[in-house]
Amino acid sequence: DTEVTQTPKHLVMGMTNKKSLKCEQHMGHRAMYWYKQKAKKPPELMFVYSYEKLSINESVPSRFSPECPNSSLLNLHLHALQPEDSALYLCASSQPLRYTQYFGPGTRLTVL
Amino acid sequence: DQQVKQNSPSLSVQEGRISILNCDYTNSMFDYFLWYKKYPAEGPTFLISISSIKDKNEDGRFTVFLNKSAKHLSLHIVPSQPGDSAVYFCAARLSGGSEKLVFGKGTKLTVNP
Repeated sequence: DTEVTQTPKHLVMGMTNKKSLKCEQHMGHRAMYWYKQKAKKPPELMFVYSYEKLSINESVPSRFSPECPNSSLLNLHLHALQPEDSALYLCASSQPLRYTQYFGPGTRLTVL
Repeated sequence: DQQVKQNSPSLSVQEGRISILNCDYTNSMFDYFLWYKKYPAEGPTFLISISSIKDKNEDGRFTVFLNKSAKHLSLHIVPSQPGDSAVYFCAARLSGGSEKLVFGKGTKLTVNP
């Protein structure tokens, strides 16, 4: 089973809203990732959690706040986003220090 | 500074023929290379990978070749099928156990029936 699930599939929010994206995996992976992908661009790494600890923050604005409540769950809390933050947000997981990352289907976010 | 480059934004081939997708890199500290396939509105799906100590890895219809001296890798799909139509991303990992993958911009493959 190489499934990573993400909810919601689509999200529309205003610039003053607070919302959260959720990601779950049951592969026993201990590293989880958030990526952002704009149209016709490659995925861009945002955050990495390894053993539930934040190990990489790619200088992401503080309006994006990640959280890893346990080894299977990863959240991305959103607050005061800008229209340019509209994108596909992808979650991935892997075993730490292993190179193959498995991606979820993504959440299509639109900020009005 | 783009460390992983896929210089062909698109490629069109006939069903049954070979598809060759190319990727160049600039950083000699990459130790693993991966290919992902992505359909619209879906997450990337892992296809095949290769370690920097090898020059070829094969999995069914997919073969990846690595030329370290040229800093070039390619993905061969034989025979190509219409269901292979997707965007293909090349990705690379820095040695030393980095958790970060560096992606190319992708090549859109269209396989015509």
